[in-house]
Amino acid sequence: QKEVEQNSGPLSVPEGAIASLNCTYSDRGSQSFFWYRQYSGKSPELIMFIYSNGDKEDGRFTAQLNKASQYVSLLIRDSQPSDSATYLCAVNPPTGGFKTIFGAGTRLFVKA
Amino acid sequence: DAGVIQSPRHEVTEMGQEVTLRCKPISGHDYLFWYRQTMMRGLELLIYFNNNVPIDDSGMPEDRFSAKMPNASFSTLKIQPSEPRDSAVYFCASRPDRYSPLHFGNGTRLTVT
Repeated sequence: QKEVEQNSGPLSVPEGAIASLNCTYSDRGSQSFFWYRQYSGKSPELIMFIYSNGDKEDGRFTAQLNKASQYVSLLIRDSQPSDSATYLCAVNPPTGGFKTIFGAGTRLFVKA
Repeated sequence: DAGVIQSPRHEVTEMGQEVTLRCKPISGHDYLFWYRQTMMRGLELLIYFNNNVPIDDSGMPEDRFSAKMPNASFSTLKIQPSEPRDSAVYFCASRPDRYSPLHFGNGTRLTVT
């Protein structure tokens, strides 16, 4: 089992729709959870972080965490073509000193 | 703050040559990470340091790879000898503590011919 798993996609949504990205992790003791966006040829950039169960909203983005199910998701409301990118889920598992492990990423396409 | 600074941005070398990648973390960040990214394998953790001490190097592919952090503001990743399969984008990232998110540098695109 991979430490962090994501559906590689691609996920295609029309402009203005809600994009839903999902991630599961294997280490139940994980404390910190992150979503990064990566445009082609660029470095990953942080868009959301969440530490507690529940929802966290920032503008058009909402991160959701369910530690019991070991599940993290990212919702993008009113999707724009500029949101087209690869979204990386990352987790800091306690095993190995809280290193940051990334999922394989989900490619999102927002169609105008 | 200038962010994480990596050099060079691009490196093209021939198989068998030594390659050295450099990274300057954000001042005050106690953790420094080296990742490698390829289409096939995604973003792989190679090694990370805490307060200049290597904590986990289990991701280093083989003895050809080595990393050092002689002080809090500088780290190197060295490949000797390089091979074509080492071609990838290498990212350096830093964070202030164990719970915070990573800040990435712009990466070094390495091509080994």
